[in-house]
Amino acid sequence: KQEVTQIPAALSVPEGENLVLNCSFTDSAIYNLQWFRQDPGKGLTSLLLIQSSQREQTSGRLNASLDKSSGRSTLYIAASQPGDSATYLCAVMNQAGTALIFGKGTTLSVSS
Amino acid sequence: GAGVSQTPSNKVTEKGKYVELRCDPISGHTALYWYRQSLGQGPEFLIYFQGTGAADDSGLPNDRFFAVRPEGSVSTLKIQRTERGDSAVYLCASSLLAGVNTEAFFGQGTRLTVV
Repeated sequence: KQEVTQIPAALSVPEGENLVLNCSFTDSAIYNLQWFRQDPGKGLTSLLLIQSSQREQTSGRLNASLDKSSGRSTLYIAASQPGDSATYLCAVMNQAGTALIFGKGTTLSVSS
Repeated sequence: GAGVSQTPSNKVTEKGKYVELRCDPISGHTALYWYRQSLGQGPEFLIYFQGTGAADDSGLPNDRFFAVRPEGSVSTLKIQRTERGDSAVYLCASSLLAGVNTEAFFGQGTRLTVV
């Protein structure tokens, strides 16, 4: 059974810092991996999708990497801003291609 | 529509009652998913539709939960004999194609509270 773990559970940084969020998964047979952002009381916003054949994806200040063989992904946020404060969720598409399996998320707080 | 729409945004019901939660996916999206999210947890998969059929319902916790998508667009999640443990945010997502390498877009969720 696929399990997704995110470390750390919470992170507080001052504005301007670069930071890395970690995600690990137990079954390397995945179709893709997605990173989402969730603001309190809101739904999920897709940030980046990495296909199983890709190693990384970039969007603005965000860069996500994928190492399928080791079951790891990282989300790198450059020059963090207070508006980046949210919970970041990592999810992998299951082997059947029918469901995303989520981690519990990392709650990020960026202070000004 | 512009995004995935879920109604109602909040629902409070008494234990034992029946509830229906509605999801309007993005127009043209053939894949539709339901998830449940408890406080402090990541979303938990419930059911996946490809078109009108439930291609994967392995996440439904028990037979009190049922979902339909009769015309391949709007979906309704139905919960019978609600229990306090059913209280959670129910999220709907849609994607253009089935699984593999297509991005999933989520609605804002329905917060269900069973009292």
